[in-house]
Amino acid sequence: ETVLTQSPGTLSLSPGERATLSCRASQSVGSSYFAWYQQKPGQAPRLLIYGSSNRATGIPDRFSGSGSGTDFTLTISRLEPEDFAVYYCQQYGSSPITFGPGTKVDIK
Amino acid sequence: QVQLVESGGGVVQPGGSLRLSCAASGFTFSDYGMHWVRQAPGRGLEWVTFIRFDGGNKYYAASVRGRLTISRDNSKNTLYLQMNSLRREDTAVYYCVKADGGYLYYDMDVWGKGTTVTVSS
Repeated sequence: ETVLTQSPGTLSLSPGERATLSCRASQSVGSSYFAWYQQKPGQAPRLLIYGSSNRATGIPDRFSGSGSGTDFTLTISRLEPEDFAVYYCQQYGSSPITFGPGTKVDIK
Repeated sequence: QVQLVESGGGVVQPGGSLRLSCAASGFTFSDYGMHWVRQAPGRGLEWVTFIRFDGGNKYYAASVRGRLTISRDNSKNTLYLQMNSLRREDTAVYYCVKADGGYLYYDMDVWGKGTTVTVSS
């Protein structure tokens, strides 16, 4: 099983600041099989990034993903008020599919 | 628009059974694989199970194998999750999720709002 570790656990930032979220895998993940999801309280998760760097439909370009192998990054260039949420990384290149524990981005 | 609507959640005693359903609309259901993903109260996301577009292959998390069974009826655009021998640790919101392709190794591009299962005596 591929274990995903996200850091930091919580990121406290102000609107307009840049957010950098990290995800490390216990073994190499094909870059085509890595995604990021956003979840707001009381809502279902939403796909942000797939294939490590491709934005999903309707996702603004302030969100970007990068990485390969065991290290992946989600960057939010300038935080908007609606971006404060929990972000999960996921690998879907091997079974079982696994998610990271999440990074909460909250308002400083 | 693409929509997934779960139903069938509720309160059940340990050892009991429940069947969840997910009604799909707005896309060609029979072309896409489907997942169930769950989230225990205050916890993160846990992948539960996947079924191929034609029902031909199924995959399960180790924690549910042998107790939960995924199935689909492409004529009714509906996904199911039969849950038997339920345990307290199965308490969670269960999300029906569309894969972005017919097989396992695709991202999860559409999520339902979820249905809550509570296992308690």
